[in-house]
Amino acid sequence: DTAVSQTPKYLVTQMGNDKSIKCEQNLGHDTMYWYKQDSKKFLKIMFSYNNKELIINETVPNRFSPKSPDKAHLNLHINSLELGDSAVYFCASSQMMSPGNTIYFGEGSWLTVV
Amino acid sequence: QKEVEQDPGPLSVPEGAIVSLNCTYSNSAFQYFMWYRQYSRKGPELLMYTYSSGNKEDGRFTAQVDKSSKYISLFIRDSQPSDSATYLCAMSLMDSSYKLIFGSGTRLLVRP
Repeated sequence: DTAVSQTPKYLVTQMGNDKSIKCEQNLGHDTMYWYKQDSKKFLKIMFSYNNKELIINETVPNRFSPKSPDKAHLNLHINSLELGDSAVYFCASSQMMSPGNTIYFGEGSWLTVV
Repeated sequence: QKEVEQDPGPLSVPEGAIVSLNCTYSNSAFQYFMWYRQYSRKGPELLMYTYSSGNKEDGRFTAQVDKSSKYISLFIRDSQPSDSATYLCAMSLMDSSYKLIFGSGTRLLVRP
């Protein structure tokens, strides 16, 4: 039973389109994240939600809008997609107060903008 | 200068070798240090974490933190082909342990 699952795994779309990536965790964690991994494998945090409240919002264009309907779900909506948005997007979750904050990652969503 | 630096590799070793993977960092306030393993087309998975300085051992893996040098290491003994992956170091501050800063990863290839 997958702990952190995200869909779709692969997404190819044209510039200017709007797309969403969905994420669900069944670990009972309070905190969820979106990370972006670029072509150089550099993994960088985008957003973090704790109990449905936004606690981290890095310098991400406002075309990216996270939505957390409940603490087990964190979706990512992207408007007006650009070529530079092509990357792998990882959803993750953790128990916020756990030592070292063990983060569990999903398998990633490969987004290609053409 | 990036906050966390990691040699991208690839690092190619024969099966059974001892592997040493390293990261340097610039922020002396980092307190939590982690190593993640990422297989191709998969998400990162946590291998080990340490708090502050010192060593931690788990099976074939040993993590070391040298805060005075701002340098962390992961050693893999008796390396196996199944260890072939990208290894990412990550670290965080005490008061924002939920915000991890990652290195860009070192790709390891263990040859049979």
